[in-house]
Amino acid sequence: GDSVTQMEGPVTLSEEAFLTINCTYTATGYPSLFWYVQYPGEGLQLLLKATKADDKGSNKGFEATYRKETTSFHLEKGSVQVSDSAVYFCALSALRGSEKLVFGKGTKLTVNP
Amino acid sequence: GAGVSQSPRYKVAKRGQDVALRCDPISGHVSLFWYQQALGQGPEFLTYFQNEAQLDKSGLPSDRFFAERPEGSVSTLKIQRTQQEDSAVYLCASSLDEQGHQPQHFGDGTRLSIL
Repeated sequence: GDSVTQMEGPVTLSEEAFLTINCTYTATGYPSLFWYVQYPGEGLQLLLKATKADDKGSNKGFEATYRKETTSFHLEKGSVQVSDSAVYFCALSALRGSEKLVFGKGTKLTVNP
Repeated sequence: GAGVSQSPRYKVAKRGQDVALRCDPISGHVSLFWYQQALGQGPEFLTYFQNEAQLDKSGLPSDRFFAERPEGSVSTLKIQRTQQEDSAVYLCASSLDEQGHQPQHFGDGTRLSIL
């Protein structure tokens, strides 16, 4: 079945450091890929998405590129801020009659000043 | 408000009791989803509605779990004879279309604790 594997956390960085959170997926066909973020005490929010191979999703300084050849969708940010501290979830939607999202386990990011 | 609203935010029940969790999706959203999120894990799909039709219930863990959306708007997830393993955060999400091109918007969830 469809699955998402993302790097285990927690990840702790200093402010202005470079961030990479790895995500790989297994799916038949051509899924859409997403990164969701969950800030402390809040609900899940869509951070960015990509719907086809080589698409780059971007938002709030975060980027991720849909790589079909490596089945990956790694999240990157060049300079993290304390306010980026949150749990990040990679997810896919296989779009086969149901748009259900399949999530990874999440990666907790803590950014220290 | 304009977002997905879930109630109650917190629910504590004794093992064996029945519970009902409510979701008010964003007005006009066709698709509605329920997910279960265990502590330290990612959300896992439970069931999907397109308007009032329940098109996918493959994620419901047992026949104790039942969901409905009778008028294609508000949805209720019911858990009968609750067990300790049902303790989790239950998330509701809605999206504008049924083709999967629009993002899912999540509520803040209901945290269910079974004693």
